[in-house]
Amino acid sequence: AQSVAQPEDQVNVAEGNPLTVKCTYSVSGNPYLFWYVQYPNRGLQFLLKYITGDNLVKGSYGFEAEFNKSQTSFHLKKPSALVSDSALYFCAVRLVSGTYKYIFGTGTRLKVLA
Amino acid sequence: GAVVSQHPSWVICKSGTSVKIECRSLDFQATTMFWYRQFPKQSLMLMATSNEGSKATYEQGVEKDKFLINHASLTLSTLTVTSAHPEDSSFYICSARVRDYEQYFGPGTRLTVT
Repeated sequence: AQSVAQPEDQVNVAEGNPLTVKCTYSVSGNPYLFWYVQYPNRGLQFLLKYITGDNLVKGSYGFEAEFNKSQTSFHLKKPSALVSDSALYFCAVRLVSGTYKYIFGTGTRLKVLA
Repeated sequence: GAVVSQHPSWVICKSGTSVKIECRSLDFQATTMFWYRQFPKQSLMLMATSNEGSKATYEQGVEKDKFLINHASLTLSTLTVTSAHPEDSSFYICSARVRDYEQYFGPGTRLTVT
């Protein structure tokens, strides 16, 4: 079965420290991978995507993610966390079929402490 | 570009009534839109895929007679929750497909059924 896993419900990090939010996937074929951020009572904001090419993808607000095919992972990273980065983060994969559907991970709540 | 709006952003209705939620692509045409449901502190659950000019495709377990979806134009899809009950209270998010691999999300609609 195709799935996306975010093993951590919550990640706490001190402001200024690097952060990592983990995501692993299980899909057939070459996946299209995405990260989104959600603030309370808001929709999803696009952060970055991996379609093909360089394994290190740079996105919005200083975030980046590394695609690792052998480990089937797509971890989100940022060198220096801000308190304003505190939010809910979702990893998603687009099914490589004609349906264009996304599968979302369960989400990771990031809390950046001042 | 690629802005998706939803209306209303928040609605309260009485049990037994119906409520309609609109999803619009503001600056592009979308042949495919998606409707998601999100429970508190949980991930997004795909409810249905809405295709312009044809019937929506519902995910397993979603009652098509309860959640009516209409995609009458290339910029508008609507979700009508019929005979709403308190258990239908949730956050509903739509998205529009942009290119084969990308979705842009609306800001969401919070439905409270009393």
